[in-house]
Amino acid sequence: EIVMTQSPATLSVSPGERATLSCRASQSVSSNLAWYQQKPGQAPRLLMYGASTRATGIPARFSGSGSGTEFTLTISSLQSEDFAVYYCHQYNNWPPLTFGGGTKVEVK
Amino acid sequence: QVRLHESGPGLVKPSQNLSLSCSVSGASVNNSGFFWGWMRHFPGKGLECLGYVYHSGVTSYNPALKSRLNMSLDTSRDHFSLKLTSVSAADTAIYFCARGSKVGAAELGWFAPWGPGVHVTVSS
Repeated sequence: EIVMTQSPATLSVSPGERATLSCRASQSVSSNLAWYQQKPGQAPRLLMYGASTRATGIPARFSGSGSGTEFTLTISSLQSEDFAVYYCHQYNNWPPLTFGGGTKVEVK
Repeated sequence: QVRLHESGPGLVKPSQNLSLSCSVSGASVNNSGFFWGWMRHFPGKGLECLGYVYHSGVTSYNPALKSRLNMSLDTSRDHFSLKLTSVSAADTAIYFCARGSKVGAAELGWFAPWGPGVHVTVSS
């Protein structure tokens, strides 16, 4: 099983600032990585796939990078609606498809 | 617009079976470009993929739960189902269904959209 490790667990950021979230895979997943945003009481929402391709309707302030075992999600200028939990997900190897433990982005 | 919605009991007794259904609108579960998955979320913890089913009915399960899982697809009604047997308190979670996009030779991919989720509590 590929273990996905996200850091930090919690990120305190002021609105308008930049947020950088990390995701590390225990073995290479190539570029087969997705990012999701989840707000309380809601389902996860796809942000990014293929490590760096924004999903439909996702603002340009979200960007993804990386390949192999190291990945980054960057939010260039945090808006109020961006405070949420973010998960990475590898779909390179099954079984099973695995998710990271999440990074909570909170207001500083 | 593609929408998914889970339905099922919110409370299940220990040792009983959990059955959930996911209805799909705006898309056909018979589309070969996608697969249909089940995830669960333990509040305060991460997400776990339970497994998925292809349009052909072929299934693939998380090895940790394989002996207790059964998933199926009903193409005539555009819905798919999950059955988890012999549940315990450790199965208390929010269960989500989602559409997976098939990519590459492995035919695996990301999940979008997701249903709103159903909270399942296992308790006597």
